[in-house]
Amino acid sequence: QVQLVQSGAEVKKPGASVKVSCKTSGYSFTNYGISWVRQAPGQGLEWMGWIGASIGNTNYTQKFQGRVTMTTDTSTNTAFMELRSLRSDDTAIYYCARDHNGRLDPWGQGTLVTVSS
Amino acid sequence: DIQMTQSPSSVSASVGDRVTITCRASQGISSWLAWYQQKPGKAPQVLIYATSKLQSGVPSRFSGSGSGTDFTLTISSLQPEDFATYYCQQAYSFPITFGQGTRLEIK
Repeated sequence: QVQLVQSGAEVKKPGASVKVSCKTSGYSFTNYGISWVRQAPGQGLEWMGWIGASIGNTNYTQKFQGRVTMTTDTSTNTAFMELRSLRSDDTAIYYCARDHNGRLDPWGQGTLVTVSS
Repeated sequence: DIQMTQSPSSVSASVGDRVTITCRASQGISSWLAWYQQKPGKAPQVLIYATSKLQSGVPSRFSGSGSGTDFTLTISSLQPEDFATYYCQQAYSFPITFGQGTRLEIK
């Protein structure tokens, strides 16, 4: 079955960077995109951006432009999201999701990133 | 960016009730709308996509309708496992945007 398995929780200091991985299985990786969505504690869902797995083209929401980089490794069917210059308000659960024409399914289990001094 | 506004923000209902959640887009999005269910501590799961298409494995008591700017998610007869938070999401154009969520609570 289709699965997306994310890397484990991270604790980072303000100003640091974090790189979250999303290993996929059970489908043809290059036929879909991957969207990244985050959820701050007790808050709603916030879409961060998208990457096309076949050629690596990206679309980032303006809020994260310049701070985020999304990449893929087609040899391991894995997507990555790196967020730089972390602030306390970046504390959130970060999700990857297979993106089929905007339908996000399935989702990874989520990665908690805590930013604290 | 397209703004998605859900109402109500929260609703209390009983098992067996019919519940409707609405979602309004700030501009027309054709039928590019999906609905997600999220339970505490879990990742969201898609229920409905393309406004009215039921995701495989989702019970038929869930249904979606609408077009343009106004959309609804209906649960025909609430079951105990349906108490969760629901989000609408537009897939018409980047950036993808979500509604603020509707929390469905047990009365």
